[in-house]
Amino acid sequence: SAVISQKPSRDICQRGTSLTIQCQVDSQVTMMFWYRQQPGQSLTLIATANQGSEATYESGFVIDKFPISRPNLTFSTLTVSNMSPEDSSIYLCSVEDPDRGHEQYFGPGTRLTVT
Amino acid sequence: QKEVEQDPGPLSVPEGAIVSLNCTYSNSAFQYFMWYRQYSRKGPELLMYTYSSGNKEDGRFTAQVDKSSKYISLFIRDSQPSDSATYLCAMSGLTGNTGKLIFGQGTTLQVKP
Repeated sequence: SAVISQKPSRDICQRGTSLTIQCQVDSQVTMMFWYRQQPGQSLTLIATANQGSEATYESGFVIDKFPISRPNLTFSTLTVSNMSPEDSSIYLCSVEDPDRGHEQYFGPGTRLTVT
Repeated sequence: QKEVEQDPGPLSVPEGAIVSLNCTYSNSAFQYFMWYRQYSRKGPELLMYTYSSGNKEDGRFTAQVDKSSKYISLFIRDSQPSDSATYLCAMSGLTGNTGKLIFGQGTTLQVKP
């Protein structure tokens, strides 16, 4: 299965600043996804990022707040902009392994705390 | 009504017990069904993946999907303290974004030695 890494693993940021989270995969994948897991909650999809096209955002999430880049088939970034304490969450990227159908694998997550 | 319902527990069992975890869902369009295990402060780890209805077994784990009842289950045999984690069901296959996973709330499991 695909091996996924994320940077940073955690960060504490001040209100009003922005943080860019990186996601690196050890193999080429078409579809990458960004999820948010708020404290004590399950995972919610933020957006789908396909290489060569604009990211597709889910209801409740907008590009100005969560801009995403997908420059190639192994890398993506998610930026959390103009942060507020409500953005304190774990942010996870995931990929569909092209050799394993629709199986989806997750990175270790980035734990963000906004003060 | 949530698209995917899962009892959050917590569920506490003695070591060696058979554990049954369940989810129900409302959208009959779901085609792919997954169970993830998530340890504290870690990302979700894919345990089982099933396409459509049927059973799948992998070691001590068995996944069942009953699309007619919109009900999926995960059974853990001979449970171990190392199985203590949160178990998340997830589903995908919707038209427009087949990769979008809809998660249940997660069930917290504790296996006591």
